[in-house]
Amino acid sequence: NAGVTQTPKFQVLKTGQSMTLQCAQDMNHEYMSWYRQDPGMGLRLIHYSVGAGITDQGEVPNGYNVSRSTTEDFPLRLLSAAPSQTSVYFCASSQPKGINTEAFFGQGTRLTVV
Amino acid sequence: SQQGEEDPQALSIQEGENATMNCSYKTSINNLQWYRQNSGRGLVHLILIRSNEREKHSGRLRVTLDTSKKSSSLLITASRAADTASYFCAFLGLDSSYKLIFGSGTRLLVRP
Repeated sequence: NAGVTQTPKFQVLKTGQSMTLQCAQDMNHEYMSWYRQDPGMGLRLIHYSVGAGITDQGEVPNGYNVSRSTTEDFPLRLLSAAPSQTSVYFCASSQPKGINTEAFFGQGTRLTVV
Repeated sequence: SQQGEEDPQALSIQEGENATMNCSYKTSINNLQWYRQNSGRGLVHLILIRSNEREKHSGRLRVTLDTSKKSSSLLITASRAADTASYFCAFLGLDSSYKLIFGSGTRLLVRP
């Protein structure tokens, strides 16, 4: 099982560039989410999705877009990168409607905006 | 912020000692979970405790939950150098959004 796969692992962007962080899961999970982790801090929720075609904002959504056209994929788009978006980004998936609602995480994308 | 708070922020202990980390939150929860993160890696789920449970064990891990105080603790007994990592609590609120909100984390260093 691949679990949750994020690509790329590392990325350097110039201010104003756009890019898409990819996230795919093969566990048929309904719920997927994107977090950012800044040095010394916990994870902050950017956007999440409770199923294909349904997305919603988390705590820090500004500057990011998401879509969920399939159950498996949940890409995160940076529209116009800013230095404040330098961070490590994690994608997670879970099946919240049930006894076990643990989240499975990808290995992260380390993004630097210069 | 909806984030949970953890203390201590950092903890350094000798191998063989016990490590206790605490988590507080502000909302009503469905369950509370603990995750581990090795440096530069993704998070790995350790244990989940539901809102109607008070204590749960898994190997050397013991988790308690006090919903009246909106707090939880994670105890790692007989720590090993390999337990060195950051530990995060995360809680699932009672609303229907299924948002998993994380605490600020505790960095644990276990000295050999």
